[in-house]
Amino acid sequence: NAGVTQTPKFRVLKTGQSMTLLCAQDMNHEYMYWYRQDPGMGLRLIHYSVGEGTTAKGEVPDGYNVSRLKKQNFLLGLESAAPSQTSVYFCASSYSILQAYTRNQPQHFGDGTRLSIL
Amino acid sequence: GIQVEQSPPDLILQEGANSTLRCNFSDSVNNLQWFHQNPWGQLINLFYIPSGTKQNGRLSATTVATERYSLLYISSSQTTDSGVYFCAVPLREAAGNKLTFGGGTRVLVKP
Repeated sequence: NAGVTQTPKFRVLKTGQSMTLLCAQDMNHEYMYWYRQDPGMGLRLIHYSVGEGTTAKGEVPDGYNVSRLKKQNFLLGLESAAPSQTSVYFCASSYSILQAYTRNQPQHFGDGTRLSIL
Repeated sequence: GIQVEQSPPDLILQEGANSTLRCNFSDSVNNLQWFHQNPWGQLINLFYIPSGTKQNGRLSATTVATERYSLLYISSSQTTDSGVYFCAVPLREAAGNKLTFGGGTRVLVKP
């Protein structure tokens, strides 16, 4: 059982380049999330999705776009990378709130993607 | 939004010592998670604990939702316990189960 898989694990970009981070989960979770973690800080929510075809903004959405075309995948895009987007990016998934109550399951996180923007 | 504060920010332990980490939150919550981020950056789920007490080996956690805090206990600490411990609580909006993270407690266990 792979859980939550993020690709790539590392990437270096030049300012202005674009790229897409891929998150895949095999737990049939309804909800998926993208967070970023800056040095010495906790995680902050970028965007999230409560189901296939739906996305919503989190705490720090500027400069990012997301898509959830398939239930198991959640893509995070940087259209024009900036040095301020240098960070570690984590994807997570979970059951819906109702499922979480009944199944008592937490959010599951991937291993992260280290992204450096030069 | 909800505020989550963790204390202490840093903790240095001698191997074998016990310790308590605290997480305070500013609003009522319906769940709370504790994570351990290991030195390789991986986030490990420790507890999903909306209320009450749970134990897993040398670790245990207690959440007192009515008083808006949670405690993580580490007993007989080992060097592998080093890393950063985060607590996280969900935002109150109906859609999604989005987590707000505390700033973390950085733990170093010395041999």
